[in-house]
Amino acid sequence: AQKITQTQPGMFVQEKEAVTLDCTYDTSDQSYGLFWYKQPSSGEMIFLIYQGSYDEQNATEGRYSLNFQKARKSANLVISASQLGDSAMYFCAMREGRRGNQGGKLIFGQGTELSVKP
Amino acid sequence: ETGVTQTPRHLVMGMTNKKSLKCEQHLGHNAMYWYKQSAKKPLELMFVYNFKEQTENNSVPSRFSPECPNSSHLFLHLHTLQPEDSALYLCASSQDRGGAKNIQYFGAGTRLSVL
Repeated sequence: AQKITQTQPGMFVQEKEAVTLDCTYDTSDQSYGLFWYKQPSSGEMIFLIYQGSYDEQNATEGRYSLNFQKARKSANLVISASQLGDSAMYFCAMREGRRGNQGGKLIFGQGTELSVKP
Repeated sequence: ETGVTQTPRHLVMGMTNKKSLKCEQHLGHNAMYWYKQSAKKPLELMFVYNFKEQTENNSVPSRFSPECPNSSHLFLHLHTLQPEDSALYLCASSQDRGGAKNIQYFGAGTRLSVL
């Protein structure tokens, strides 16, 4: 069964510094996707970045990059040059590839609350 | 603005009330989802609709009744809820072509309190 683990309930980072949010996963499938979402206090889940299991390059989207280490089954999110607006909950999620008509569920981790200090 | 709109944003209801949550997506997606997010817990998938057909019911109690009249609209009908059903209910949509890359876009959620 697939599983996502985020071991950091809360993190602090100084404004303009980089921060790494940890995510490990477990799956027996060869085909899967990894996602990171941001949830501000307003509640909306905002998609940040995607990494496919067959992608050879680490995904990057602006200040976000995903440090994908397949052998270790880790998919850490790196936020560079932190801003005050980055303060939020961050969720790692995984979806296995679909088999036939069965859609792979998107499974979420517990989340990490990031606080950016001025 | 993600293109997924949920109403109402806040809802307080008694255990004997009947209410409905509404979700509308303007992204042309073929799949829609309901999630429940309780305090300090990960998101829990409740229902999945693909081309208006329900493809997933994650053992949700019958007091939650989903309805998907078309690919753009999704409702969650609520009746005789319990206080433990108080949570943030999130709707999402995606263009599901199978495979692992299925980016779901979420609404802002309905924060529900059951008294």
